[in-house]
Amino acid sequence: DQQVKQNSPSLSVQEGRISILNCDYTNSMFDYFLWYKKYPAEGPTFLISISSIKDKNEDGRFTVFLNKSAKHLSLHIVPSQPGDSAVYFCAARVTGGYQKVTFGTGTKLQVIP
Amino acid sequence: DSGVTQTPKHLITATGQRVTLRCSPRSGDLSVYWYQQSLDQGLQFLIQYYNGEERAKGNILERFSAQQFPDLHSELNLSSLELGDSALYFCASSVAPAGPETQYFGPGTRLLVL
Repeated sequence: DQQVKQNSPSLSVQEGRISILNCDYTNSMFDYFLWYKKYPAEGPTFLISISSIKDKNEDGRFTVFLNKSAKHLSLHIVPSQPGDSAVYFCAARVTGGYQKVTFGTGTKLQVIP
Repeated sequence: DSGVTQTPKHLITATGQRVTLRCSPRSGDLSVYWYQQSLDQGLQFLIQYYNGEERAKGNILERFSAQQFPDLHSELNLSSLELGDSALYFCASSVAPAGPETQYFGPGTRLLVL
């Protein structure tokens, strides 16, 4: 049972435009959400997170939005750059269960110059 | 480069066999974590060691085992391999036990079971 779903396996965006990566979850107990970025032949690296007490968190070009009622979160990248081309994983956990993190299957973003 | 090294990078073996994956954590990191990423699955936490002791267990099969040695490197042993064990196996490390956002991931070992 996939509790964290990334329904778009891939996304292509022109350089300079906005990239929007989506993630849905089913477990209402999740209260902390994370995004990771993974380049080929490398391990995932942490990108940005958001607690369920917030609905937005921003870090430079990256913003994560959380809609708890819809059990949906999204990662916005503005402006998109070719170096952003990577696989992005969404993840979620329950506070205190820091190891019990559930990851999505990833969305491959391609930013076209 | 995260500073975490994993060997081998690729491994091809047959069903029923046993393999060992090796991980060297970043210098100074005491905690090591193993994850599995199967085809069409997200990363799944398998097991964590801290300074040689098992600290947490996730979705690790009984056919799999791990250990952390005094020099802090870790090995993940997979036995009686099945086709479904084909996956990318990541090791991560951190100074102290922590959530994935503060872990440094290695590049992974890609295992193919034929």
